[in-house]
Amino acid sequence: GAGVSQSPRYKVAKRGQDVALRCDPISGHVSLFWYQQALGQGPEFLTYFQNEAQLDKSGLPSDRFFAERPEGSVSTLKIQRTQQEDSAVYLCASSLVGVEAFFGQGTRLTVV
Amino acid sequence: ELKVEQNPLFLSMQEGKNYTIYCNYSTTSDRLYWYRQDPGKSLESLFVLLSNGAVKQEGRLMASLDTKARLSTLHITAAVHDLSATYFCAAGKLTGTASKLTFGTGTRLQVTL
Repeated sequence: GAGVSQSPRYKVAKRGQDVALRCDPISGHVSLFWYQQALGQGPEFLTYFQNEAQLDKSGLPSDRFFAERPEGSVSTLKIQRTQQEDSAVYLCASSLVGVEAFFGQGTRLTVV
Repeated sequence: ELKVEQNPLFLSMQEGKNYTIYCNYSTTSDRLYWYRQDPGKSLESLFVLLSNGAVKQEGRLMASLDTKARLSTLHITAAVHDLSATYFCAAGKLTGTASKLTFGTGTRLQVTL
């Protein structure tokens, strides 16, 4: 597709449930980022991939969060045993080598 | 640790007026970004500023960067209602071959008739 695609757009999870969020980057984009945006806040960095290698996962808030990009294209962010504080919009961004990253529409996760 | 502060957090302005949003960052950054976000939408890239003294303009928006002061500004000229949105600045640090972004808390701009 023409842009970064994320699915699902909306996800409601019961507390304790596991969720998986998908990101399809722009074809050929080497770099892929995940950000978490809480309501009324700016996005916060979670993790970064260069191709299939996860080079930085310093922003993952706990060991319940796990991300992968096994073939260097599609990426999945998994959250185990969801908690209410995990409720946020999860944004994926991809870029070629260089300056600008393009953001997807995000997945709005609500934990009830 | 890189921190980014924006002010004001909320800005209500009349159509036709001028105003400036300020963005301060705490440590050296490789580049400075400005994004626009409409409610329920993703981030739209507005400007990327790469060097000290850089100035970029698009329509009624103009962004500038002073790396010595660690300050970027987004100036709005003769505001129109369509500019109502939340504006974020973000400081980038190169990691691998891309920029890891640290965002400000955003400035919610409301342009009234």
